[in-house]
Amino acid sequence: DIQMTQSPSTLSASVGDRVTITCRASQSIDSWLAWYQQKPGKAPKLLIYKASNLESGVPSRFSGSGSGTEFTLTISSLQPDDFATYYCQQYNSYSYAYTFGQGTKVDIK
Amino acid sequence: EVQLVEFGGALVQPGRSLRLSCAVSGFTFDDYAMYWVRQAPGKGLEWVSGISWDSLRRTYADSVKGRFTISRDNAKNSLYLQMSSLRAEDSAMYYCAKDRTSAHPDGPGDYWGQGTLVTVSS
Repeated sequence: DIQMTQSPSTLSASVGDRVTITCRASQSIDSWLAWYQQKPGKAPKLLIYKASNLESGVPSRFSGSGSGTEFTLTISSLQPDDFATYYCQQYNSYSYAYTFGQGTKVDIK
Repeated sequence: EVQLVEFGGALVQPGRSLRLSCAVSGFTFDDYAMYWVRQAPGKGLEWVSGISWDSLRRTYADSVKGRFTISRDNAKNSLYLQMSSLRAEDSAMYYCAKDRTSAHPDGPGDYWGQGTLVTVSS
């Protein structure tokens, strides 16, 4: 299995801050990476696919970058609606299981 | 409007079986691969299984392989997860999700249901 490791596990930030979350894969996954946002009691919401492509309807303050084994999700100016938990997911077709990272909780400083 | 509604979750004893269903609407079901993802209480997301549009390709996480079976009925716009030999560690909210673009299980999920809760306990 490909293992996905996110850092940090928790991030405290203020409205307006620039926030960066890192996701590392245990082997190369090219650009087959997605980012999701999840709020308590809700289903995950797709933000980014193929490492850097913004899903339709997602605010442009969200961006993704990276390839191979290291990826980042950046929120350029944190908004009140952005306090949530974020997950990366690899979907490399050579892997038979599309594993998630352990999550990064973004909370209010 | 795309909708996915899971049902079938219940309290079940260890070793028993349970079948989850996911009813979908708002898109052409047999154009897309589908997935099951679960989340234990207070824990992260765990990808469980995926199925191609024609059911010919099915993939499973190691943690459920040999115990869970994913299936679909395109005529009924429904996705299923047959779970057997259930364990306490299978307790979770189970979500179904639609592949973003592909008929094969090769991508992220763009639409998700609200989940159905499975509790395995004696």
